[in-house]
Amino acid sequence: IVLTQSPGTLSLSPGERATLSCRAGQSVSSDYLAWYQQKPGQAPRLLVHAASSRATGIPDRFSGSGSGTDFTLTISRLEPEDFAVYYCQQYGSSPQTFGQGTKVEVK
Amino acid sequence: EVQLVQSGAEVKKPGESLKISCKGSGNGLTTNWIAWVRQTPGKGLEWMGIIYLADSDTRYSPSFQGQVTVSADKSSNTAYLKWGSLKASDTAMYYCARSFNFWGFFDVWGQGTLVTVSS
Repeated sequence: IVLTQSPGTLSLSPGERATLSCRAGQSVSSDYLAWYQQKPGQAPRLLVHAASSRATGIPDRFSGSGSGTDFTLTISRLEPEDFAVYYCQQYGSSPQTFGQGTKVEVK
Repeated sequence: EVQLVQSGAEVKKPGESLKISCKGSGNGLTTNWIAWVRQTPGKGLEWMGIIYLADSDTRYSPSFQGQVTVSADKSSNTAYLKWGSLKASDTAMYYCARSFNFWGFFDVWGQGTLVTVSS
């Protein structure tokens, strides 16, 4: 399943709301869609699984939504540490696939 | 708390073999799956394959089947990724990651192993 993330880059200021999109080429089985954050030189970190379930220890400013082929990650108020690259991943069909990423940068 | 620690960076020549490792620590790890994920600037993140530590049940992505071998040693909670003959196109960062199922998301990641293949 091909995952297309948009936009490629999001330029925002701290305190602003970020809305990231992930669109699947076909329906994601059981809404098995995860979101990860990756900072330079670090491994990805799980934020959300099953489309809307926050991972352990993830702040509630991060929220996931959507179903079928359209999914969204929202960061309600950007903190300085949130500027990073975000990836979506579908794990409902084999092989699992990742989106190409959205970079959230400081405006 | 589960942690995954990967072996160090490698520099190899085309045609050479290589085996990198991912050692896990923490309770219950034996009943988990460990996946390998490749990251390159051109293709991004790619799921390569996954192994169940308890019995070495292994699944591969069609893109990587026959190109690499995933194995494990349950006595040491260690997973391995092996190449028989490296190519320049294998140059990438490789991550191991923990999953509760062979189809699942990844909640714990290793720090990554950078593999550089160059003549």
